[in-house]
Amino acid sequence: SQQGEEDPQALSIQEGENATMNCSYKTSINNLQWYRQNSGRGLVHLILIRSNEREKHSGRLRVTLDTSKKSSSLLITASRAADTASYFCASEAAGNKLTFGGGTRVLVKP
Amino acid sequence: GAVVSQHPSRVICKSGTSVKIECRSLDFQATTMFWYRQFPKQSLMLMATSNEGSKATYEQGVEKDKFLINHASLTLSTLTVTSAHPEDSSFYICSARDYRGWTQYFGPGTRLLVL
Repeated sequence: SQQGEEDPQALSIQEGENATMNCSYKTSINNLQWYRQNSGRGLVHLILIRSNEREKHSGRLRVTLDTSKKSSSLLITASRAADTASYFCASEAAGNKLTFGGGTRVLVKP
Repeated sequence: GAVVSQHPSRVICKSGTSVKIECRSLDFQATTMFWYRQFPKQSLMLMATSNEGSKATYEQGVEKDKFLINHASLTLSTLTVTSAHPEDSSFYICSARDYRGWTQYFGPGTRLLVL
């Protein structure tokens, strides 16, 4: 399969709580990216972590990368109702092609 | 940030007709554009990679004669779904990158419904 895997597939939390989702990929990568997609809309790029980086922060987002395990995690701290969306990881290998994970649907309840 | 547009945003067509979707990079030159398809509640699947001035490279299982891609300029790529059938109904998303960046900039998507 072309796709990587993400877990959980769905996540329901209360506003203010943290949301963590994980992603695994299959091949060696140049970088790994996380995107958000609101229902029926296009993708919004959130953060990119290069293969030689282990952790990166951007606002309320924290991304980790473990190339030995071929896995990454995205943490959203102090979640808000507006964070409700689907989140996708995408690994970029040689040739600049992105391979997307299956996505995690996050519901943040007010 | 860089902006990528798609047109149309939604299209409904009859089975057997052809539909053209445009993808434009508005404020940068895109040497490479990518076309994805996304079925409901599923992830994005890469269909093809398009480089300006050359033939597109299709992913395994994607029919190049059915999904015609043209990347005639550094700011425009088109995807034509030929002889569309109901199973082609999907959300089609393009992305573009310039020669300098790591990031692909995604268009807002085109929802195709084939009746």
